[in-house]
Amino acid sequence: NAGVTQTPKFRVLKTGQSMTLLCAQDMNHEYMYWYRQDPGMGLRLIHYSVGEGTTAKGEVPDGYNVSRLKKQNFLLGLESAAPSQTSVYFCASSYQGSTDTQYFGPGTRLTVL
Amino acid sequence: ELKVEQNPLFLSMQEGKNYTIYCNYSTTSDRLYWYRQDPGKSLESLFVLLSNGAVKQEGRLMASLDTKARLSTLHITAAVHDLSATYFCAVDPRPAGKSTFGDGTTLTVKP
Repeated sequence: NAGVTQTPKFRVLKTGQSMTLLCAQDMNHEYMYWYRQDPGMGLRLIHYSVGEGTTAKGEVPDGYNVSRLKKQNFLLGLESAAPSQTSVYFCASSYQGSTDTQYFGPGTRLTVL
Repeated sequence: ELKVEQNPLFLSMQEGKNYTIYCNYSTTSDRLYWYRQDPGKSLESLFVLLSNGAVKQEGRLMASLDTKARLSTLHITAAVHDLSATYFCAVDPRPAGKSTFGDGTTLTVKP
């Protein structure tokens, strides 16, 4: 039981490049989330999903897209990376919604030059 | 817009002492969460509080929720060095799914 995993762990991009972050969970959770964490701040919700095939916008969705084609995977895409997207990205999942504990992945540290 | 404020943001305390971290929020909600984050690591769930008056305890940490005051507290009893970390509260107003986090309280416990 690996829990929540994220790929890659580190990445450096140039402005304008694109990339996809992969989150996978093996706990059969319905809900999945993508957050970003900037220095000295809490997490901010980018997008979330309440089940396979569904996605919804969070607090800071601009510049990101997501897809949930399979229940166990939640992908976060940056179509044209900007320096303001330099951050640590965390994926999380929960069995149901807000009454359940969220389990977090180890994070992806992204730097955009 | 929901605002979640924690105080203090930084806390240095001696081993053996007691202290309380406060989490205030601006919108009605009966769901509040506490997380712990060690430097360079991910977040670990500590407590899920789902009703007014909820109190949960784990070891030297105790969390409570007062939905009428829009306030949650995380009380530390007889602190030890291993509790040094950053603690976040997060609030999830209805409809579900969109947690808003506080900026975190960085706790340093000194011998």
